[in-house]
Amino acid sequence: EAGVAQSPRYKIIEKRQSVAFWCNPISGHATLYWYQQILGQGPKLLIQFQNNGVVDDSQLPKDRFSAERLKGVDSTLKIQPAKLEDSAVYLCASSSEAGQPQHFGDGTRLSIL
Amino acid sequence: SQQGEEDPQALSIQEGENATMNCSYKTSINNLQWYRQNSGRGLVHLILIRSNEREKHSGRLRVTLDTSKKSSSLLITASRAADTASYFCATDANGGSYIPTFGRGTSLIVHP
Repeated sequence: EAGVAQSPRYKIIEKRQSVAFWCNPISGHATLYWYQQILGQGPKLLIQFQNNGVVDDSQLPKDRFSAERLKGVDSTLKIQPAKLEDSAVYLCASSSEAGQPQHFGDGTRLSIL
Repeated sequence: SQQGEEDPQALSIQEGENATMNCSYKTSINNLQWYRQNSGRGLVHLILIRSNEREKHSGRLRVTLDTSKKSSSLLITASRAADTASYFCATDANGGSYIPTFGRGTSLIVHP
């Protein structure tokens, strides 16, 4: 089966600019996750979708981050405006249902200048 | 805050040796999962162990779970250079919603 697809692979922007990441999960997977992974740390969950509804977004900085999952398939994560501390790898993952093994994309490495 | 915390933070061994990593967590869980991450790549699922299970095996991997101590261990036997990676545990807090929390990980280096 095709894996989780993410784009772009790398992104460099200046602070206060905006950026968007795209994720295409494994076909049929109901649960989709966005994580932020800072160098040397574990992934931090930003938002979890079940189909097109939000299960948890308690760690999403909602003043600057937004995410949507239209039609319960693809998802986009946006940052506007970006801050220096947003430099990280943004990982998307999906699972058949919540609590099941997650399949990860290779992430987008974001650098803020 | 992170639910699971791995120990040690870093581990360096020779090929053929066994590697043991530990994960401790704070609250009751539904299940615990172990993942591997190679440099520059996404995480890969290794094993899922449920709260009512005590041990699981998959190839050279052995995972144990002690819910009374709120801890789990991952043993990699007869390690290979290709096992060099970071290893993370992830827990789902007990309850109706399965919201995962990852630890900081153990960085494993296996020398050929």
